[in-house]
Amino acid sequence: DQQVKQNSPSLSVQEGRISILNCDYTNSMFDYFLWYKKYPAEGPTFLISISSIKDKNEDGRFTVFLNKSAKHLSLHIVPSQPGDSAVYFCAASAQGGTSYGKLTFGQGTILTVHP
Amino acid sequence: GAGVSQSPSNKVTEKGKDVELRCDPISGHTALYWYRQSLGQGLEFLIYFQGNSAPDKSGLPSDRFSAERTGGSVSTLTIQRTQQEDSAVYLCASSLGIGPSTYEQYFGPGTRLTVT
Repeated sequence: DQQVKQNSPSLSVQEGRISILNCDYTNSMFDYFLWYKKYPAEGPTFLISISSIKDKNEDGRFTVFLNKSAKHLSLHIVPSQPGDSAVYFCAASAQGGTSYGKLTFGQGTILTVHP
Repeated sequence: GAGVSQSPSNKVTEKGKDVELRCDPISGHTALYWYRQSLGQGLEFLIYFQGNSAPDKSGLPSDRFSAERTGGSVSTLTIQRTQQEDSAVYLCASSLGIGPSTYEQYFGPGTRLTVT
């Protein structure tokens, strides 16, 4: 039962253009969402997060949008740079109860930014 | 370096042998997590330690898997009688464990386990 899904295994974008990575979830108890970035042979690194009380969070070139009714979130990278090429994981958590702190990850999307 | 460290970085073992994977979290982080990533898959939650509370073991796939955290710091993940399907990258993460910052988990580089 995949509660967090990233349906695009890969995405290729030209440098300077926008990259849009998508993520869908099924568990309505999820109320905190994160994006992680992973380079080969390294652990994932935290990128940006959003609480369910918001619909947008921005940090420099990175913006995360949350659509709770559609159970969908997206990560926008503008402008994309070759150094952004990595695997991007969407993650979700329910802040209450025994699940506190436990993240459920999507399968990841490989982003390639071409010079 | 002040990051999360894991050892060994690579481990090749024969089916049926036991293995121990080690994680040193960031100093001061009270929460520690183990995940694994199988080929082509996302990260799968295994176990979560928070301070002195009983660990959340809900993600452990079988009773061959166990983990402990000594002194609230270093953690060891043990896999007994390894099987080929245990082959994966095992990732450890830590966080402050307080409020929303507990979700901003800092990951180690992982241990690549190959069971032959």
